Amino acid sequence: KNEVEQSPQNLTAQEGEFITINCSYSVGISALHWLQQHPGGGIVSLFMLSSGKKKHGRLIATINIQEKHSSLHITASHPRDSAVYICAVSTVGGSQGNLIFGKGTKLSVKP
Amino acid sequence: DTAVSQTPKYLVTQMGNDKSIKCEQNLGHDTMYWYKQDSKKFLKIMFSYNNKELIINETVPNRFSPKSPDKAHLNLHINSLELGDSAVYFCASSQRGRAGTQYFGPGTRLTVL
Repeated sequence: KNEVEQSPQNLTAQEGEFITINCSYSVGISALHWLQQHPGGGIVSLFMLSSGKKKHGRLIATINIQEKHSSLHITASHPRDSAVYICAVSTVGGSQGNLIFGKGTKLSVKP
Repeated sequence: DTAVSQTPKYLVTQMGNDKSIKCEQNLGHDTMYWYKQDSKKFLKIMFSYNNKELIINETVPNRFSPKSPDKAHLNLHINSLELGDSAVYFCASSQRGRAGTQYFGPGTRLTVL
């Protein structure tokens, strides 16, 4: 079992829909990251958070440390949001800060 | 200006060869990383390095070695390439050690024939 689990693996939505992607982890963390990988392959960091909630434009990320769970929400989704969204955690302990990745959620937003 | 750059973007080579991938960051960050993304698109840390410490993922074969000539560069050397080394390799950097936001390079697609 992977230390970082994401759901769903694949998600198809209609333009305008509200989207939620979930991430659960089983290790001690110093931070959780949400990344976006474009169809062309480039990876962009969307959020890094260790508590509470962060918002950037139509994207919202939340984390519940007690439950070891995070969600990424996209409001008013658009076809340009189509990408793979990857949850990753910065670990504490021996390899402190090294990222462990989830397997990603492939999002496709149809016009 | 590109924040994190990698060269080459594509690398096709024969099994058994030795190759290098270069990475440079102009962000003034103190920590750099190499990641491998396999054919199933799963990312995995290979190395993280700052001027004090190199952390190696224990699953990485010793044919892979990072070399850092200075704080802005972390190159990846691969000896005796194998078919299973075919993947996309990403370099990244962060400030404030390993808990900072990471900035990724564009990736290098390595194909071993």
